[in-house]
Amino acid sequence: EDKVVQSPLSLVVHEGDTVTLNCSYEVTNFRSLLWYKQEKKAPTFLFMLTSSGIEKKSGRLSSILDKKELFSILNITATQTGDSAVYLCAVDQNRDDKIIFGKGTRLHILP
Amino acid sequence: NAGVMQNPRHLVRRRGQEARLRCSPMKGHSHVYWYRQLPEEGLKFMVYLQKENIIDESGMPKERFSAEFPKEGPSILRIQQVVRGDSAAYFCASSPYVGERRGYTFGSGTRLTVV
Repeated sequence: EDKVVQSPLSLVVHEGDTVTLNCSYEVTNFRSLLWYKQEKKAPTFLFMLTSSGIEKKSGRLSSILDKKELFSILNITATQTGDSAVYLCAVDQNRDDKIIFGKGTRLHILP
Repeated sequence: NAGVMQNPRHLVRRRGQEARLRCSPMKGHSHVYWYRQLPEEGLKFMVYLQKENIIDESGMPKERFSAEFPKEGPSILRIQQVVRGDSAAYFCASSPYVGERRGYTFGSGTRLTVV
């Protein structure tokens, strides 16, 4: 069965800390891996990764994919309270149209 | 660009009633996806529709749930005879075409509570 597993499930850190969120996957016909940020409402798109070893960066957020070991990490440096959210990892397949989501990592940043 | 519009934002139904959730995709998007999110769970795929066609409903429960995306108007997710276990957030996403994941935009969701 195709699956996406995220860890940790929840994380509490202080403002200014750096965090690393993990995502491993076992899916057939992998096409891309996606990261979303979900606050109280709709998930918002962060990154799409298709190639191993190429870091995607957006401000204090960065992500990288390892297609050999079947995992991705999302790094957030110099965290701020506004980074508090659930971060969802998802995998897109060539064959199907649906995206398979992990359960998310609930990140809470203490001021 | 109004984004993906879902309504209502919150819906309360008694057990046995029907729930109708609406989703208007972004302008120019002809592909609609419905996901369900239970508390402390990730998003689970339910159904993928194009205009007037159900493409993949492999995530839909076999009974009580149905979805449509008519030629005119929003996509509708219908849940008949709701039970407490149907309480969840239901998200709709749309994309301009298959494979355009960067353009896979979510609505704000409908939070269904069954009492």
